[in-house]
Amino acid sequence: EAGVTQFPSHSVIEKGQTVTLRCDPISGHDNLYWYRRVMGKEIKFLLHFVKESKQDESGMPNNRFLAERTGGTYSTLKVQPAELEDSGVYFCASSRQGIWSGNTIYFGEGSWLTVV
Amino acid sequence: DQQVKQNSPSLSVQEGRISILNCDYTNSMFDYFLWYKKYPAEGPTFLISISSIKDKNEDGRFTVFLNKSAKHLSLHIVPSQPGDSAVYFCAASDAGGTSYGKLTFGQGTILTVHP
Repeated sequence: EAGVTQFPSHSVIEKGQTVTLRCDPISGHDNLYWYRRVMGKEIKFLLHFVKESKQDESGMPNNRFLAERTGGTYSTLKVQPAELEDSGVYFCASSRQGIWSGNTIYFGEGSWLTVV
Repeated sequence: DQQVKQNSPSLSVQEGRISILNCDYTNSMFDYFLWYKKYPAEGPTFLISISSIKDKNEDGRFTVFLNKSAKHLSLHIVPSQPGDSAVYFCAASDAGGTSYGKLTFGQGTILTVHP
Protein backbone atom coordinates (compact mmCIF):
# COMPACT_ATOMS: atom_id res chain seq x y z
CA GLU A 1 0.00 0.00 0.00
CA ALA A 2 1.43 3.36 -1.04
CA GLY A 3 1.86 5.92 1.70
CA VAL A 4 0.88 9.56 1.82
CA THR A 5 2.59 11.33 -1.05
CA GLN A 6 3.44 15.01 -1.09
CA PHE A 7 4.72 17.23 -3.88
CA PRO A 8 6.96 19.17 -4.18
CA SER A 9 9.37 17.91 -1.56
CA HIS A 10 11.19 21.25 -1.54
CA SER A 11 10.21 24.68 -2.79
CA VAL A 12 12.02 28.02 -2.62
CA ILE A 13 9.97 31.07 -3.57
CA GLU A 14 10.21 34.80 -3.17
CA LYS A 15 8.04 36.75 -0.79
CA GLY A 16 4.81 37.68 -2.52
CA GLN A 17 4.78 34.69 -4.84
CA THR A 18 2.30 31.84 -4.83
CA VAL A 19 3.00 28.21 -4.01
CA THR A 20 0.70 25.21 -4.28
CA LEU A 21 1.43 22.06 -2.35
CA ARG A 22 -0.20 18.79 -3.29
CA CYS A 23 -1.04 15.76 -1.18
CA ASP A 24 -2.20 12.32 -2.27
CA PRO A 25 -3.56 10.40 0.71
CA ILE A 26 -3.47 6.67 1.19
CA SER A 27 -6.09 5.07 -1.04
CA GLY A 28 -9.41 4.68 0.74
CA HIS A 29 -8.65 7.23 3.43
CA ASP A 30 -11.54 9.65 3.70
CA ASN A 31 -9.79 11.80 6.30
CA LEU A 32 -7.04 14.11 5.15
CA TYR A 33 -5.13 16.57 7.31
CA TRP A 34 -2.64 19.36 6.84
CA TYR A 35 -0.08 20.22 9.51
CA ARG A 36 2.99 22.40 9.47
CA ARG A 37 6.15 22.82 11.49
CA VAL A 38 7.98 26.10 11.44
CA MET A 39 11.64 26.18 12.38
CA GLY A 40 12.26 24.10 15.52
CA LYS A 41 8.75 24.48 16.87
CA GLU A 42 5.96 22.01 17.39
CA ILE A 43 3.94 20.49 14.59
CA LYS A 44 0.70 22.46 14.32
CA PHE A 45 -2.66 21.45 12.93
CA LEU A 46 -3.98 23.43 9.98
CA LEU A 47 -7.12 21.68 8.84
CA HIS A 48 -9.02 18.41 8.42
CA PHE A 49 -11.04 17.18 5.46
CA VAL A 50 -13.59 14.40 5.54
CA LYS A 51 -13.89 13.46 1.89
CA GLU A 52 -14.28 16.80 0.13
CA SER A 53 -15.71 18.69 3.12
CA LYS A 54 -13.73 20.79 5.58
CA GLN A 55 -14.43 19.25 8.98
CA ASP A 56 -12.17 21.59 10.93
CA GLU A 57 -10.13 24.51 9.62
CA SER A 58 -9.45 26.13 12.97
CA GLY A 59 -5.68 25.98 12.49
CA MET A 60 -5.48 27.91 9.22
CA PRO A 61 -3.36 30.96 10.07
CA ASN A 62 -5.01 33.51 7.78
CA ASN A 63 -6.78 33.97 4.46
CA ARG A 64 -3.55 33.71 2.51
CA PHE A 65 -3.92 29.95 2.92
CA LEU A 66 -6.45 28.03 0.85
CA ALA A 67 -6.95 24.28 0.99
CA GLU A 68 -9.08 22.27 -1.38
CA ARG A 69 -9.96 18.65 -1.85
CA THR A 70 -12.11 18.45 -4.92
CA GLY A 71 -13.63 15.03 -5.46
CA GLY A 72 -12.44 13.83 -2.08
CA THR A 73 -9.17 12.42 -3.35
CA TYR A 74 -6.00 14.52 -3.46
CA SER A 75 -5.73 17.88 -1.76
CA THR A 76 -3.91 21.12 -2.50
CA LEU A 77 -2.75 23.82 -0.12
CA LYS A 78 -2.12 27.18 -1.74
CA VAL A 79 -0.26 30.03 -0.09
CA GLN A 80 -0.87 33.36 -1.80
CA PRO A 81 0.94 35.68 -1.36
CA ALA A 82 3.68 33.92 0.57
CA GLU A 83 5.35 35.68 3.51
CA LEU A 84 8.68 34.96 5.19
CA GLU A 85 6.97 33.47 8.27
CA ASP A 86 5.31 30.83 6.09
CA SER A 87 8.63 29.02 5.76
CA GLY A 88 8.57 25.56 7.28
CA VAL A 89 7.62 21.98 6.61
CA TYR A 90 4.06 21.27 5.56
CA PHE A 91 2.90 17.76 6.41
CA CYS A 92 -0.09 16.04 4.96
CA ALA A 93 -1.62 13.07 6.74
CA SER A 94 -4.53 10.73 6.19
CA SER A 95 -6.58 8.16 8.03
CA ARG A 96 -9.39 5.78 7.20
CA GLN A 97 -11.39 6.94 10.21
CA GLY A 98 -11.07 9.81 12.63
CA ILE A 99 -8.64 9.90 15.51
CA TRP A 100 -10.00 7.84 18.31
CA SER A 101 -8.90 4.82 20.25
CA GLY A 102 -7.37 2.26 17.97
CA ASN A 103 -6.93 4.56 15.02
CA THR A 104 -4.09 6.77 14.00
CA ILE A 105 -3.10 8.99 11.15
CA TYR A 106 -0.28 8.46 8.70
CA PHE A 107 1.99 11.29 7.69
CA GLY A 108 3.71 12.07 4.43
CA GLU A 109 7.35 13.11 4.28
CA GLY A 110 6.47 16.77 4.11
CA SER A 111 6.92 19.65 1.69
CA TRP A 112 9.71 22.00 2.72
CA LEU A 113 8.84 25.60 1.91
CA THR A 114 11.39 28.38 2.05
CA VAL A 115 10.23 31.94 1.42
CA VAL A 116 13.07 34.38 0.72
CA ASP B 1 -0.61 28.61 24.71
CA GLN B 2 1.26 25.31 24.69
CA GLN B 3 -1.28 22.63 25.60
CA VAL B 4 1.17 19.76 25.18
CA LYS B 5 4.67 20.16 26.55
CA GLN B 6 7.79 18.08 26.28
CA ASN B 7 10.13 19.84 28.64
CA SER B 8 13.26 17.90 27.74
CA PRO B 9 14.60 19.01 24.35
CA SER B 10 17.04 16.12 24.29
CA LEU B 11 17.89 12.83 25.98
CA SER B 12 21.03 10.73 25.70
CA VAL B 13 20.98 7.04 26.66
CA GLN B 14 23.35 4.10 26.44
CA GLU B 15 22.37 1.19 24.26
CA GLY B 16 20.52 -1.49 26.22
CA ARG B 17 19.33 0.92 28.88
CA ILE B 18 15.87 2.36 29.36
CA SER B 19 14.80 5.59 27.63
CA ILE B 20 12.05 7.57 29.33
CA LEU B 21 10.45 10.42 27.45
CA ASN B 22 8.01 12.65 29.25
CA CYS B 23 5.04 14.72 28.19
CA ASP B 24 2.64 16.99 30.08
CA TYR B 25 -0.66 18.39 28.93
CA THR B 26 -3.02 21.04 30.22
CA ASN B 27 -6.28 20.43 28.36
CA SER B 28 -8.51 18.11 30.39
CA MET B 29 -10.59 17.42 27.27
CA PHE B 30 -7.78 15.39 25.72
CA ASP B 31 -8.76 11.74 25.79
CA TYR B 32 -6.42 10.07 23.33
CA PHE B 33 -2.65 10.28 23.27
CA LEU B 34 -0.08 9.19 20.75
CA TRP B 35 3.67 9.04 20.35
CA TYR B 36 5.32 9.61 17.00
CA LYS B 37 8.92 9.11 15.98
CA LYS B 38 10.54 11.27 13.35
CA TYR B 39 13.78 10.81 11.46
CA PRO B 40 15.37 13.75 9.61
CA ALA B 41 13.71 14.57 6.27
CA GLU B 42 10.88 12.14 6.95
CA GLY B 43 7.35 12.54 8.22
CA PRO B 44 6.35 11.48 11.73
CA THR B 45 5.77 7.74 12.13
CA PHE B 46 3.19 6.41 14.56
CA LEU B 47 4.64 4.45 17.49
CA ILE B 48 2.05 3.79 20.13
CA SER B 49 -1.13 5.28 21.56
CA ILE B 50 -3.23 5.19 24.68
CA SER B 51 -6.81 6.03 25.44
CA SER B 52 -7.70 7.96 28.58
CA ILE B 53 -9.58 4.95 29.93
CA LYS B 54 -6.28 3.11 30.31
CA ASP B 55 -3.15 3.87 32.28
CA LYS B 56 -0.72 1.67 30.37
CA ASN B 57 -0.26 0.30 26.89
CA GLU B 58 2.56 -1.95 25.71
CA ASP B 59 3.83 -2.80 22.28
CA GLY B 60 7.08 -4.73 22.21
CA ARG B 61 9.88 -2.57 23.54
CA PHE B 62 7.58 0.45 23.84
CA THR B 63 5.29 1.19 26.77
CA VAL B 64 3.24 4.31 27.30
CA PHE B 65 2.02 5.27 30.76
CA LEU B 66 -0.77 7.76 31.39
CA ASN B 67 -1.39 9.56 34.68
CA LYS B 68 -4.61 11.47 34.16
CA SER B 69 -4.67 13.15 37.54
CA ALA B 70 -1.22 14.59 36.88
CA LYS B 71 -1.94 15.19 33.20
CA HIS B 72 1.28 13.40 32.42
CA LEU B 73 2.33 10.64 30.09
CA SER B 74 5.60 8.94 29.44
CA LEU B 75 7.09 6.66 26.83
CA HIS B 76 9.47 3.92 27.97
CA ILE B 77 11.76 2.20 25.51
CA VAL B 78 13.43 -0.94 26.82
CA PRO B 79 16.01 -1.88 25.77
CA SER B 80 17.08 1.17 23.82
CA GLN B 81 18.80 0.61 20.48
CA PRO B 82 20.88 2.98 18.32
CA GLY B 83 18.14 2.81 15.66
CA ASP B 84 15.78 4.44 18.16
CA SER B 85 17.72 7.68 17.81
CA ALA B 86 15.19 10.17 16.45
CA VAL B 87 12.90 13.01 17.50
CA TYR B 88 9.94 11.80 19.55
CA PHE B 89 6.70 13.77 19.55
CA CYS B 90 3.92 13.43 22.03
CA ALA B 91 0.47 14.26 20.63
CA ALA B 92 -3.00 14.54 22.12
CA SER B 93 -6.51 14.63 20.77
CA ASP B 94 -9.99 15.46 21.99
CA ALA B 95 -11.14 12.41 20.06
CA GLY B 96 -14.62 12.51 21.51
CA GLY B 97 -15.17 16.13 20.60
CA THR B 98 -15.90 18.01 17.41
CA SER B 99 -12.19 18.51 16.67
CA TYR B 100 -11.70 14.78 16.55
CA GLY B 101 -9.27 15.05 13.67
CA LYS B 102 -6.91 17.44 15.35
CA LEU B 103 -3.70 16.34 17.01
CA THR B 104 -1.94 18.79 19.31
CA PHE B 105 1.79 18.10 19.38
CA GLY B 106 4.55 18.79 21.85
CA GLN B 107 7.82 20.36 20.76
CA GLY B 108 9.61 17.04 20.50
CA THR B 109 12.50 15.37 22.34
CA ILE B 110 15.65 14.38 20.50
CA LEU B 111 16.68 10.91 21.66
CA THR B 112 20.24 9.76 21.06
CA VAL B 113 21.11 6.17 21.87
CA HIS B 114 24.86 5.57 22.06
CA PRO B 115 26.31 2.15 21.15
